[in-house]
Amino acid sequence: AQTVTQSQPEMSVQEAETVTLSCTYDTSESDYYLFWYKQPPSRQMILVIRQEAYKQQNATENRFSVNFQKAAKSFSLKISDSQLGDAAMYFCAYRRVNTGTASKLTFGTGTRLQVTL
Amino acid sequence: DGGITQSPKYLFRKEGQNVTLSCEQNLNHDAMYWYRQDPGQGLRLIYYSQIVNDFQKGDIAEGYSVSREKKESFPLTVTSAQKNPTAFYLCASSMIGISYEQYFGPGTRLTVT
Repeated sequence: AQTVTQSQPEMSVQEAETVTLSCTYDTSESDYYLFWYKQPPSRQMILVIRQEAYKQQNATENRFSVNFQKAAKSFSLKISDSQLGDAAMYFCAYRRVNTGTASKLTFGTGTRLQVTL
Repeated sequence: DGGITQSPKYLFRKEGQNVTLSCEQNLNHDAMYWYRQDPGQGLRLIYYSQIVNDFQKGDIAEGYSVSREKKESFPLTVTSAQKNPTAFYLCASSMIGISYEQYFGPGTRLTVT
C-alpha cells in the first residue's frame, strides 16, 4: 500500500521569504502522480501543483515549485515570496495512474504553515 | 457556475441517529468520492463511485453507506454503527482517466453528541 509522510506538523515563514515543505512517500509503482493541496481556514481544498512521476522536470506554478526526487521518493514544495494568504494547511497527496477507472488520493497528515509579518 | 456543493455546512445529530450528507456536482464528472478528515490524520477515503448505480469501498467504509442514483449526486449516510462519526466530511469529483485531478466541495462538519 502507498503511504505519504509529512514530518513537519507546523512551519513558519516571514512574509516575502521562502519556505520549503517536505513530503516523502512509499510506493512500488513506477508511474504515479503527486499533488500539493492547500486548505485555508475556509477548509476548501485547493490544488496547488501537480507532478507526473514520468517527468524529470520539476513542476512550477507561479511562486510555487516542487523538488521531485524520484529515487529518494521525496516531493517537497517551495513557496517563494510568501504572502499572508499562503497561511494554510498543506497536504501532500499520491495517486496511482489508472486508465479508465477512478483512483483515490492518499494524503499525508498535513503541514500547517504560518506566515508572519 | 460549475462546482461541487455540499449541504449543510454544519450538522448536529444525537448519537444513535442516521444522518445523510448531501453532495452535488454540475461539472459532468463521472467519478465522485467521499473523504473524512480528522485532526492530525489528513484525509481518508470512505467510498467512491465511477458510474451511476456502482460504488466501491474505500479505506474506512465501516459504518457508512452511499448511493449513486444520478450522475450529479452522491449522498453519504453516516449510520449509527459508525463509532466515531464526528468529523469533517469532504466530497470530491473527477473525470476518469490518466491525469484528471479531483475537485473538492466545501465540506460538512458533522457533530454527534
